[in-house]
Amino acid sequence: AQSVTQLDSHVSVSEGTPVLLRCNYSSSYSPSLFWYVQHPNKGLQLLLKYTSAATLVKGINGFEAEFKKSETSFHLTKPSAHMSDAAEYFCVVSDRRETSGSRLTFGEGTQLTVNP
Amino acid sequence: EAQVTQNPRYLITVTGKKLTVTCSQNMNHEYMSWYRQDPGLGLRQIYYSMNVEVTDKGDVPEGYKVSRKEKRNFPLILESPSPNQTSLYFCASSFRHGPYNEQFFGPGTRLTVL
Repeated sequence: AQSVTQLDSHVSVSEGTPVLLRCNYSSSYSPSLFWYVQHPNKGLQLLLKYTSAATLVKGINGFEAEFKKSETSFHLTKPSAHMSDAAEYFCVVSDRRETSGSRLTFGEGTQLTVNP
Repeated sequence: EAQVTQNPRYLITVTGKKLTVTCSQNMNHEYMSWYRQDPGLGLRQIYYSMNVEVTDKGDVPEGYKVSRKEKRNFPLILESPSPNQTSLYFCASSFRHGPYNEQFFGPGTRLTVL
């Protein structure tokens, strides 16, 4: 079984300050982990993914995430928030069994607000 | 342009009136999936398909049907919609099944069942 917990349902930051969105996961197998972003009235877009290569993963728009197996965490960070980063962010886990059929388990989402 | 399209984008219907939400992708992807998104619950998988004529239940399949007669299309069918199926629905596709593959999402269909 696999699960994802996003520790904050809402995060509010000022423009130009760092962003931290927290995610813990549980997986019976070595997981693949993803962060997706959803802007208002849009579909989901992949920000970055971890699939067992480097533990520090760089994504689009200056975001990055670090896989920490000992802490079962995959937190998303960005050094300096931009107004256009305001969106909902989803942490997603997929276990590595090929028979799982790419069954992704989504976290509940974190709404990021960026204040001017 | 590579994309996943869904129709309609918005739908208001009444209890019991059969409806179909279409999903089409132009990327020759093998794997397609339907999700519903509800506040505070994230996205939950309804059904998925690993290839033509191969479909299987996800986490919340009750009240839904799917078919995969062609590689590009994966319609979601609600035979007798009920108010608890009011939700935002997303179709997604990926090159093939497997945990490494990015899923591409459609723009969503907002369904209201009265």
